[in-house]
Amino acid sequence: ETGVTQTPRHLVMGMTNKKSLKCEQHLGHNAMYWYKQSAKKPLELMFVYNFKEQTENNSVPSRFSPECPNSSHLFLHLHTLQPEDSALYLCASSRGQGSGTDTQYFGPGTRLTVL
Amino acid sequence: RKEVEQDPGPFNVPEGATVAFNCTYSNSASQSFFWYRQDCRKEPKLLMSVYSSGNEDGRFTAQLNRASQYISLLIRDSKLSDSATYLCVVRPRNSGGSNYKLTFGKGTLLTVNP
Repeated sequence: ETGVTQTPRHLVMGMTNKKSLKCEQHLGHNAMYWYKQSAKKPLELMFVYNFKEQTENNSVPSRFSPECPNSSHLFLHLHTLQPEDSALYLCASSRGQGSGTDTQYFGPGTRLTVL
Repeated sequence: RKEVEQDPGPFNVPEGATVAFNCTYSNSASQSFFWYRQDCRKEPKLLMSVYSSGNEDGRFTAQLNRASQYISLLIRDSKLSDSATYLCVVRPRNSGGSNYKLTFGKGTLLTVNP
């Protein structure tokens, strides 16, 4: 399935590095999301973009910086991360109707390890 | 009380068994409900939406009880391929007007054994 793709699939970085995660959706959707999934915790919503505008920032530290240049692409820029930021980062997209039936489709995720 | 609460399991059942999962949610104004499935080291995938009248998709049946604020998923005739983590997902009705947020439970791990 190639509806939502993410790169890289795995990333190891030091605390002083700067890296970016990329997400692309091929579903014609208007809304895109970043989630964090840590071990033993539920998925946590980080950011929401609808028609390229950020509509939600779920109190995410500034060391995570999202960018949405168009409705098909979403980036998550990372800098000076901490070891506790190690997790699976999932991108999702949806039609963006904001209605009850608006279904989110997930990419395969980037497994991030911060040393 | 957690926003969405599930029994983490694990549930270990033999092939052919019937298994049921429950989930409770705290926001009585929640508007939409879903079950997602997540295989080990993979992304979550929508299994089915949950409607007030209850709905069935093959071997899977979902029920919603708004009065008691719980959702259930019933799997009949379990297959080995049903082994996964099942995530209960709720869309709360946000006062700010944003309907994009989904709240996930931690998931219930199911292992179907031969």
